[in-house]
Amino acid sequence: GQNIDQPTEMTATEGAIVQINCTYQTSGFNGLFWYQQHAGEAPTFLSYNVLDGLEEKGRFSSFLSRSKGYSYLLLKELQMKDSASYLCAVRDGDDYKLSFGAGTTVTVRA
Amino acid sequence: GAGVSQTPSNKVTEKGKYVELRCDPISGHTALYWYRQSLGQGPEFLIYFQGTGAADDSGLPNDRFFAVRPEGSVSTLKIQRTERGDSAVYLCASSLIGRGGDTQYFGPGTRLTVL
Repeated sequence: GQNIDQPTEMTATEGAIVQINCTYQTSGFNGLFWYQQHAGEAPTFLSYNVLDGLEEKGRFSSFLSRSKGYSYLLLKELQMKDSASYLCAVRDGDDYKLSFGAGTTVTVRA
Repeated sequence: GAGVSQTPSNKVTEKGKYVELRCDPISGHTALYWYRQSLGQGPEFLIYFQGTGAADDSGLPNDRFFAVRPEGSVSTLKIQRTERGDSAVYLCASSLIGRGGDTQYFGPGTRLTVL
């Protein structure tokens, strides 16, 4: 299986920027996903990276370095509604299933 | 269009009982996945369907767990002789084709509590 590590918790102030790191180990990398999950709700798709580099989507950006087994999710101009758990997930080789990290709980304070 | 739906949203049962959890995927999605999520953890893969067939059931923890998708749409996860350790949120996801950069869309989950 995959070893996917991400910090347990992060706290930031409204309007600030937060970067959530994710490291992984796979035998045959085939894509990395970020999901947002509010308490008691379904994970919702945020971003997908399969090639190295930065993908920007509004206030959210995701970066991937395959050689380092590393990704980050950047949340800009934080809003209170961004308080949630952020899940890093990796697809390995020809697998269709996702292997998830434990999630990073982000708390946005006024 | 409608997203993935799951019923019931909550299920409380007693140890040893049988339960069925239902998933209705996004219309037209051929791939369907079941995951299980415990408190403070990420979802853990259970089983994957491509059409009507279970393409990979390697995540099912033991033979008390079984899932079907008889017509290639709705799926039912069945748990026999439930144990307290089965308590978790059971998430269903679907995707268009099941490979490549295909995005999985999740339902709201069924929270199963085994007393």
